[in-house]
Amino acid sequence: AQSVTQLGSHVSVSEGALVLLRCNYSSSVPPYLFWYVQYPNQGLQLLLKYTTGATLVKGINGFEAEFKKSETSFHLTKPSAHMSDAAEYFCAVSVESYQKVTFGTGTKLQVIP
Amino acid sequence: GAVVSQHPSRVICKSGTSVKIECRSLDFQATTMFWYRQFPKKSLMLMATSNEGSKATYEQGVEKDKFLINHASLTLSTLTVTSAHPEDSSFYICSARAVDLGTGNSPLHFGNGTRLTVT
Repeated sequence: AQSVTQLGSHVSVSEGALVLLRCNYSSSVPPYLFWYVQYPNQGLQLLLKYTTGATLVKGINGFEAEFKKSETSFHLTKPSAHMSDAAEYFCAVSVESYQKVTFGTGTKLQVIP
Repeated sequence: GAVVSQHPSRVICKSGTSVKIECRSLDFQATTMFWYRQFPKKSLMLMATSNEGSKATYEQGVEKDKFLINHASLTLSTLTVTSAHPEDSSFYICSARAVDLGTGNSPLHFGNGTRLTVT
């Protein structure tokens, strides 16, 4: 079975500051890892995903994440926060491309002007 | 890009009535659809997985007689909350997956969710 832990249910950053959202996973087999963003009363939008290959994955809106197998982590970063980045972010894991996805509990990002 | 349309976006119903939520893949055929329930300040909880033309597979603890799922075609799945109660009030989200046999990719596309309020 796979699981995901997101450290910090709320993260606040100043506009222009670095964004770091933490995610650790547990999986008995090589995982597929995802970050999704959710705006209020909306569905989820895929930011980026890691399947195989390069461990540094670049996504939309300037976000990127690095798969670190030794640390079982897949933290999400963005060099400079923008007000429009305020949303809830979910890390997720799947053990196979065709299998169901397990989500973390989410981290709400607040961007302070 | 692939679009999943979920309808309605908001619904208010009286206790004891049934509510149907539709999830449509607009420009691709969805071999598998998933239904999630999102509680306040909590993650998305998978309720069930449905494959076109077969019975849905429900997660442990989800009442299949209460949450009826139908996946009659490759572009439509429905979730019916039967005899709704206030505790069923929640945000329900569907997602659809299409497998690209050429690349092996099977991205997950989400609907915009349905806010159900049972009074």
